[in-house]
Amino acid sequence: DGGITQSPKYLFRKEGQNVTLSCEQNLNHDAMYWYRQDPGQGLRLIYYSQIVNDFQKGDIAEGYSVSREKKESFPLTVTSAQKNPTAFYLCASSLNSGGRYNEQFFGPGTRLTVL
Amino acid sequence: AQSVTQLGSHVSVSEGALVLLRCNYSSSVPPYLFWYVQYPNQGLQLLLKYTTGATLVKGINGFEAEFKKSETSFHLTKPSAHMSDAAEYFCAVRDSGYSTLTFGKGTMLLVSP
Repeated sequence: DGGITQSPKYLFRKEGQNVTLSCEQNLNHDAMYWYRQDPGQGLRLIYYSQIVNDFQKGDIAEGYSVSREKKESFPLTVTSAQKNPTAFYLCASSLNSGGRYNEQFFGPGTRLTVL
Repeated sequence: AQSVTQLGSHVSVSEGALVLLRCNYSSSVPPYLFWYVQYPNQGLQLLLKYTTGATLVKGINGFEAEFKKSETSFHLTKPSAHMSDAAEYFCAVRDSGYSTLTFGKGTMLLVSP
C-alpha cells in the first residue's frame, strides 16, 4: 500500500537533547512538508521541500532542521534550541508543488514529549 | 499573508441533525480550498477540495461544501450527523501557483446521541 509513514509514534526526550523524527513516503511525491500541531492552534508549517536537496523554512523553523537527500525521505530534527518542543508533529507530501490538484497527504504523526 | 478563520472551536450537534462548520478565508486571488478531518492521535484525511469549476463540492462520508467568492467562505455541511463524524475539522487554503497550505485553527465536532 502506498502512503506516508512516521516513526516513532511516541517519543520522549530529555531537555537539551536533539531528536530526529522520521518521515518516509512511497507515493513518488515530489514535495514534502513538516507541520507542528498544538491544541487550539491548528497546523503550523515548519519546513517544506519541493525537490531533493532543496528545502525552505516555514513559519516556525527556529529550533528545527531538515534534510532531503532522497525523494522518499524528509527527516526532521528537533534541536535543543527549540524552546517548547512538546507537540504533535505531522509530515505530509504532495505530487508536486504548484499543480491544481495537489492536495497534501498526511502521515499518522509523532507525539513528542519533553521530560 | 493568507489567513483562514474557522468560527467556533467547538460545535455540538445531535445525531441526525444538520452539521454546519464555517470557514472564511482571505485571499486576493481565487484560491484552492480544502477541508480535512482528524480523528484523535491520527493524521489528517482529505474530505473534499475546491479548485475550479462547480462551486458546490461533494466529498467523502456525505459531506459537501460551497465556495462563495463574494463572501470569501467555504462552509462545510452534512445533512444528518452520525456519531462517527465526531472529530476535528480543518479548513485550509492555498493560492494557485504556491505549494504551501494555510490552515484554520480547527473546529471540534461533538455528536450526542
